[in-house]
Amino acid sequence: GAGVSQSPSNKVTEKGKDVELRCDPISGHTALYWYRQRLGQGLEFLIYFQGNSAPDKSGLPSDRFSAERTGESVSTLTIQRTQQEDSAVYLCASSLRGTGTVSYEQYFGPGTRLTVT
Amino acid sequence: AQTVTQSQPEMSVQEAETVTLSCTYDTSESNYYLFWYKQPPSRQMILVIRQEAYKQQNATENRFSVNFQKAAKSFSLKISDSQLGDTAMYFCAFTGETSGSRLTFGEGTQLTVNP
Repeated sequence: GAGVSQSPSNKVTEKGKDVELRCDPISGHTALYWYRQRLGQGLEFLIYFQGNSAPDKSGLPSDRFSAERTGESVSTLTIQRTQQEDSAVYLCASSLRGTGTVSYEQYFGPGTRLTVT
Repeated sequence: AQTVTQSQPEMSVQEAETVTLSCTYDTSESNYYLFWYKQPPSRQMILVIRQEAYKQQNATENRFSVNFQKAAKSFSLKISDSQLGDTAMYFCAFTGETSGSRLTFGEGTQLTVNP
């Protein structure tokens, strides 16, 4: 079946411009996560959506970052007034369920490589 | 807050040999889960193996096994009979009951399998 998809695969933008990154989770997955991966580093949590609950935005690095999710489907991560330090790979993941005593496997998309010039 | 530490930035191994990647973590939670993910150059994160903290038995998945030492907060990955396709970045990750299932990752270990 289809996995998590992300678009675009690569994005080059000028400093100060806004960008939108898209994530299509696996159908039926209620939990969706965004992570950022800087060059040569591990993944940093950004934001988490679980069903219709309020999202956990505790990982967003600044108010220039925001994300939305339509129901239990597509999510968009928006970065306003991009800075060079925003250059990274942005990874999206989804899972069947994100809460409770059982942690379901997270399935990752291929990521969007963002380069801010 | 939880932290995950991988102290080996790079490792190499000869094909068919065994290699062990180290990971330590720090948490005050009692119920949690540990994972090893593999990230080849394609950037695709692939789950290699998982371990529930309440289980004493070490997890195994074919050539991959873990040595989970709960008291020492250590979670190492052993790869047996290494194959060229195992060349990748390996990340240790943690999630706990208060984490909302979000993962906390280590910095990664770049493993190269040499022919």
